Amino acid sequence: GESVGLHLPTLSVQEGDNSIINCAYSNSASDYFIWYKQESGKGPQFIIDIRSNMDKRQGQRVTVLLNKTVKHLSLQIAATQPGDSAVYFCAENPQGGKLIFGQGTELSVKP
Amino acid sequence: NAGVTQTPKFQVLKTGQSMTLQCAQDMNHNSMYWYRQDPGMGLRLIYYSASEGTTDKGEVPNGYNVSRLNKREFSLRLESAAPSQTSVYFCASSSRMNTGELFFGEGSRLTVL
Repeated sequence: GESVGLHLPTLSVQEGDNSIINCAYSNSASDYFIWYKQESGKGPQFIIDIRSNMDKRQGQRVTVLLNKTVKHLSLQIAATQPGDSAVYFCAENPQGGKLIFGQGTELSVKP
Repeated sequence: NAGVTQTPKFQVLKTGQSMTLQCAQDMNHNSMYWYRQDPGMGLRLIYYSASEGTTDKGEVPNGYNVSRLNKREFSLRLESAAPSQTSVYFCASSSRMNTGELFFGEGSRLTVL
């Protein structure tokens, strides 16, 4: 069946370093993937998305990479800042708008 | 603009009590959703409304009902609360169904004793 999962539940990085958050998916038919950020006590916030006809997409300080061969995507955050501390979720959208969320990775940024 | 507004933010119920979570969006979005978030489980879709006048079950609809009151408002009702419904509930909206860009409210923390 479909599933979206994360390799690591927690990630700790030094301020200024780059962060890489990974996500695996099992449904090879999935063609649309999204990353969300959730700060403590708040609702998830859309960061960036990517469709399967792309391998890479860049936003402001963030890059999403998609490797369809191994069904893996990652979110890279450049020059990580304390404000980046949050839980990051990947999600897939295989069925016309009903997102399937992964369990989340908690990113902690050390000053 | 307020975005997506949920009320109440916190609620404690006893088993068997009923309550309604309210949600309103001011972005003129067509689609609205209710999710629950439990530790280690991510976000799971309870119900959604693709457009005004329609509602459909999501992944975990049992024990819940919804009403799409108008284009702005989408409420979630627990008719007879159970401890298993202790969770944080999020309402979200999007311009259309086939987008991954959802706008979430701040959440409603519900405890059922």
